[in-house]
This record gives sequence, structure tokens and C-alpha cells, in this order.
Amino acid sequence: GQQVMQIPQYQHVQEGEDFTTYCNSSTTLSNIQWYKQRPGGHPVFLIQLVKSGEVKKQKRLTFQFGEAKKNSSLHITATQTTDVGTYFCAVTSGTYKYIFGTGTRLKVLA
Amino acid sequence: GAVVSQHPSRVICKSGTSVKIECRSLDFQATTMFWYRQFPKQSLMLMATSNEGSKATYEQGVEKDKFLINHASLTLSTLTVTSAHPEDSSFYICSARDSPQTSGGIKEQFFGPGTRLTVL
Repeated sequence: GQQVMQIPQYQHVQEGEDFTTYCNSSTTLSNIQWYKQRPGGHPVFLIQLVKSGEVKKQKRLTFQFGEAKKNSSLHITATQTTDVGTYFCAVTSGTYKYIFGTGTRLKVLA
Repeated sequence: GAVVSQHPSRVICKSGTSVKIECRSLDFQATTMFWYRQFPKQSLMLMATSNEGSKATYEQGVEKDKFLINHASLTLSTLTVTSAHPEDSSFYICSARDSPQTSGGIKEQFFGPGTRLTVL
């Protein structure tokens, strides 16, 4: 079945440092979504990417969709303690289903 | 944004009992609802896809007779864990999606707050 791997699995950074998580799929994707889950909370939708090579920004967050539409990245500039959580990518499988990536857990040290 | 509620938020039960979890979309009609299970420090694993008025579609390895799903209306889906055992202890999260037309073509999922099930 479809596999969606994320690296790294964990990342500890000092506050103010940058952070990047990568999402890799075994198949070509129609779109990719990113979610953030705070500790003890539920996933919250961040963004969806659709076009090959697409880059979208949300304040300090930059999302990129690979040219081959098989990978994506989320980059956070100058991390803050509020960025703590697990970041998941999610891809659609078929018409309705979403397959979540393995997630990257971010800890920000003040 | 759209709000999805889940009830109960936490449940502790004895082995062998059944537990029902409700998932409601509060301010939109959810044509599709999803049920996920998440073990500690792991990703979300899709259990089943629930469409209003039809039978749920279960993922491979998920027992449909153990995890009963009923999507009775466009705002309510229920998951019943029948004859729960300690290995069923997990964080169960539902999500809902409205019509692509009303969400501008972005198939965003709105997640409920989750239900933490502990089976003794």
C-alpha cells in the first residue's frame, strides 16, 4: 500500500533556530496536506499543496511541493516555543481517504 | 473554521464492555467522516471512512464487527468499540469533511478533539 515517510522523526532545536521536516511518498500525489498536532491535542489543518513545485508561505512557515509531486517540505524560520508539536503530512488515497505520514515531533528549547 | 465535537473525551471501562463514541459536525454538513486511531507517539491510522446513509468502508486489518460505525445523519457519526480489551486502549479521533464545493475545492479535514479510551 501507499507509504508516506517523514524525516526526521524527532527534532530538538533552540528557540530561534530553523526547522525543516520532509515528507516522501512512494507514489505520485495529486495533492498534499500538512497538519500540526500539539501535545495532547488533535491535528489542525495548516495548508494544502496541489501544483508541482508549488511554494506557499504562512508567516514563518514555508511549504513546498516537489516538482515530481512525490515529496514535500515544511520549513519554519526562527522557531518559537509555540511551534512545539508534531507535524504530519497527509495525502489522499483514491477519492476520499487520507493517509498520514509518520510525523515529525518538534521540541523547541527556550 | 468548522467545528467538530467528540464525546466522551475520556472513557475508562472494564474489559468486555462496549463503548460508543460520538462525532458531531456542529456548523456544517459532513458528507464524509473518518475515524482514526492513534497510539502514543505514533501517527494517525485510518480505521474507516463513513459516508452518510451508507455502510462504512473499513481499512485492511480493521474488524468491522468489533468497530461498529453508524453515520446516521450529515452531522453525526458514531463508533462503537464492542467487547473492548486492553489492546483497544488508544486515542480515537474523528474528522469530518464537507462538500468540496462548499470548501472551495480544498478537501480539508476538521478534526474532533479525540477520545482517550482506557480498557482495564
